[in-house]
Amino acid sequence: GESVGLHLPTLSVQEGDNSIINCAYSNSASDYFIWYKQESGKGPQFIIDIRSNMDKRQGQRVTVLLNKTVKHLSLQIAATQPGDSAVYFCAEDNGYSTLTFGKGTMLLVSP
Amino acid sequence: DTEVTQTPKHLVMGMTNKKSLKCEQHMGHRAMYWYKQKAKKPPELMFVYSYEKLSINESVPSRFSPECPNSSLLNLHLHALQPEDSALYLCASSQTSGGSYEQYFGPGTRLTVT
Repeated sequence: GESVGLHLPTLSVQEGDNSIINCAYSNSASDYFIWYKQESGKGPQFIIDIRSNMDKRQGQRVTVLLNKTVKHLSLQIAATQPGDSAVYFCAEDNGYSTLTFGKGTMLLVSP
Repeated sequence: DTEVTQTPKHLVMGMTNKKSLKCEQHMGHRAMYWYKQKAKKPPELMFVYSYEKLSINESVPSRFSPECPNSSLLNLHLHALQPEDSALYLCASSQTSGGSYEQYFGPGTRLTVT
């Protein structure tokens, strides 16, 4: 079936760098996308979302970009901090509130 | 209050035991979900409840039995589980299931089947 995927399983950055986590999706009918952060031993935590009628959305230190032409989603984290170390999942919703999660990217931030 | 709570945090059970996982939210959400997550894998949807009725069952084995007693509570009854059922079980809720809304996740119950 159609699914969401990620290019990089692990991303290692230095504190203060900007991080970019990528996600490819294949369901062109998906109209809502979410990025979640999951720290060890915890449930996924909402970071930011974007609907298909937008191509960019900014939050606090985070930006999500959506390119519907190539079915690509990215999460940019500015001035990455050690507390940002976690697994990041993108998820797509085809309109029925059933989320399909990507494989996840581990972000490791070194002090 | 944007919190979903789950109990217990950890559960160890034998293959002949019967146990239940509990989930609670007080955000007025009308959709609630159970997910299963294996180590280093993404969450996988098991069940969706919408307005206290089961709307989606993702072909989950009958040894997992969900229940939604009211709009704030969601249970997952476990019976005759297998060791491969060991995983993190996550509960989530969202405003409704008829559109695209953020799902809020609980911390999960770490289940070990021996």
